Amino acid sequence: SQQGEEDPQALSIQEGENATMNCSYKTSINNLQWYRQNSGRGLVHLILIRSNEREKHSGRLRVTLDTSKKSSSLLITASRAADTASYFCATDSYMIYNQGGKLIFGQGTELSVKP
Amino acid sequence: DTEVTQTPKHLVMGMTNKKSLKCEQHMGHRAMYWYKQKAKKPPELMFVYSYEKLSINESVPSRFSPECPNSSLLNLHLHALQPEDSALYLCASSQVDFVDRGGYGYTFGSGTRLTVV
Repeated sequence: SQQGEEDPQALSIQEGENATMNCSYKTSINNLQWYRQNSGRGLVHLILIRSNEREKHSGRLRVTLDTSKKSSSLLITASRAADTASYFCATDSYMIYNQGGKLIFGQGTELSVKP
Repeated sequence: DTEVTQTPKHLVMGMTNKKSLKCEQHMGHRAMYWYKQKAKKPPELMFVYSYEKLSINESVPSRFSPECPNSSLLNLHLHALQPEDSALYLCASSQVDFVDRGGYGYTFGSGTRLTVV
């Protein structure tokens, strides 16, 4: 089962521009995470924001979370060609501690950064 | 060691074959996961293991059989697969949340690209 939607599905920008991706989800969550995937290989964890947090920064990444609207956004500033990848939001909604997570992914955004 | 290692990277198998996918991590993570990803789609959760015990099975067909022999290893045994099972199979691991610390990020392997012929 999939958690929600991401938009846009595809985004093409020039190097140096900012990229914003949005994610909506349906159920209550413990945290929301963003991942990057290059060329259909493994996913790389970018950032995690907990349900009681509203904004988080990590380097060129800024994530916001609005639990009342069940939505999140990822901003990548000063983009580079190396940022070209698929970006996925994922929500973790484990109900029982000590039993691992239950990470469910959104549909993803394909980002293309042109030199 | 901050990696999840998956073998093999590529696998082609017939519908009558039995094969296994392997996953290994040495980060001390006590939760391990299998995901399936079709082309241009998001990963879909298949199984969750916590402390070597199966805690979530997302209604996966019995032709997929997971096994967690110890805290570092996770296997996925494959038998009588169908061509539609061709996909990228991803393994991941994470710490386990004992109290409400809000969870942890996952570390993913590079995946096994499986083709069923």
